[in-house]
Amino acid sequence: NAGVTQTPKFQVLKTGQSMTLQCAQDMNHNSMYWYRQDPGMGLRLIYYSASEGTTDKGEVPNGYNVSRLNKREFSLRLESAAPSQTSVYFCASGNARGETQYFGPGTRLLVL
Amino acid sequence: AQTVTQSQPEMSVQEAETVTLSCTYDTSESDYYLFWYKQPPSRQMILVIRQEAYKQQNATENRFSVNFQKAAKSFSLKISDSQLGDAAMYFCAYIRSARQLTFGSGTQLTVLP
Repeated sequence: NAGVTQTPKFQVLKTGQSMTLQCAQDMNHNSMYWYRQDPGMGLRLIYYSASEGTTDKGEVPNGYNVSRLNKREFSLRLESAAPSQTSVYFCASGNARGETQYFGPGTRLLVL
Repeated sequence: AQTVTQSQPEMSVQEAETVTLSCTYDTSESDYYLFWYKQPPSRQMILVIRQEAYKQQNATENRFSVNFQKAAKSFSLKISDSQLGDAAMYFCAYIRSARQLTFGSGTQLTVLP
């Protein structure tokens, strides 16, 4: 089992460019999440999907959109990247509310 | 707002010694879950230990244990017999009804040989 995978590992964008971060999990989890991690801070939730076909905003959703493509895949899209979106992005998956969330390896994004 | 506070940005411990990392949280809910995650230089987030708030018994995983004080809203992590591989950033996290994990700002642990 690969667990949670993310692509790409690293990306450089210019301000105004768009891109999609991909995430997939093979643990048959119902819920998937996108977090961002800025220097000196813990992870903050951007969006989550409690089950296939549903998505909800987290703490910092502005400037992002998500798509729950199927049970395995959950993508994060930046329509017009801004330097403030420079961060490390983590995808995670889990089942019931209190159960452990399992994280992918992260995507480092630099917006110039 | 729900918050998680880790008041020790950095800690160090001698190899084979014991260290305790502090965490306090703020919530009005009675049913929630608490976690400690470890993030080594590879950036991978690794679960260390999980505590269910309705359980009074403190969780233990090998050399890792917690001191959960529900009334005080305190959730500290004790690492016994510290090893070089324990060196990492440690995050305390809390999850409530909306499934949203809220993280503290982390404690950087250095293990000295």
